[in-house]
Amino acid sequence: DIQMTQSPSSLSASVGDRVTVTCRASQNVGTSLAWYQQKPGKAPKLLIYKASTLEKGVPSRFSGSGSGTEFTLTISSLQPDDFATYYCQQYESYYTFGQGTKLDIK
Amino acid sequence: QVQLQESGPGLVKPSRTLSLTCTVSGGSISSLGYYWSWIRQHPGKGLEWIGYISYSGSTYYNPSLKSRAITSVDTSKNQFSLKLNSVTVADTAVYYCAGSGATFDYWGQGTLITVSS
Repeated sequence: DIQMTQSPSSLSASVGDRVTVTCRASQNVGTSLAWYQQKPGKAPKLLIYKASTLEKGVPSRFSGSGSGTEFTLTISSLQPDDFATYYCQQYESYYTFGQGTKLDIK
Repeated sequence: QVQLQESGPGLVKPSRTLSLTCTVSGGSISSLGYYWSWIRQHPGKGLEWIGYISYSGSTYYNPSLKSRAITSVDTSKNQFSLKLNSVTVADTAVYYCAGSGATFDYWGQGTLITVSS
C-alpha cells in the first residue's frame, strides 16, 4: 500500500506569512493527490484535488503543486482562519492520508 | 446539498462488535454515484480510511483492519453501516462517514466511540 509522509509535522507562522507544506508518496501517484483542512472538533474540508485544482469556494491564496511522489501545499498570505491542521491524501490506489501538519500562530 | 450524519452507541466493551450507521440526505444513496466510506481519527492523531461500499455494492477495506470491518447499505432507509468486530481500546476514535468520488467530498460531523469495560 502507498504511504504518505508530510513535513513538517507542525509549523508556527504569523498572519501574512507564506507557508509551504510538503507531502511525499512512497510510490508514484501521478496527480491523484488531495489536500484537506481540519479545524478542532470538525470534519476535514477538501481544499485541493488533482494535486493543483482548487475546490469551489476555496480562497485563491491556497495553491497546490507537484506530481509523482512529491507535492506541496502553499498558502500565499496566512489569514487568521487558516490556522488548522492540513492533510494530504492519495487516491491513486484506494486511499491513504498523510499524518498531518499542524499550523499554529507564532 | 448532500449531508451525512453518523449514529452509534458512544461506548463499546472490548471484544464486542461496534455498529455505526450513516444517514444520507439530499440525494439517493444508490444514484448519487459515490463510494460510501468510513474514516476514523484516533484522539489527537491523523486520519485512517477504514473502507467503503460503492453504489453498486462492491466493498474494499484497509488491510490494516485485518478483516474486522464489514460495510453494508440499506437503500430503503438511505443509510450505510459499519460493523467492526473484536474491538479493543485501540479502536477508540472519532468515526466519520464520508461520500467520495476520488476525493472525500462530503463528511458527517463524526461520532466519538470509546472502547472501555
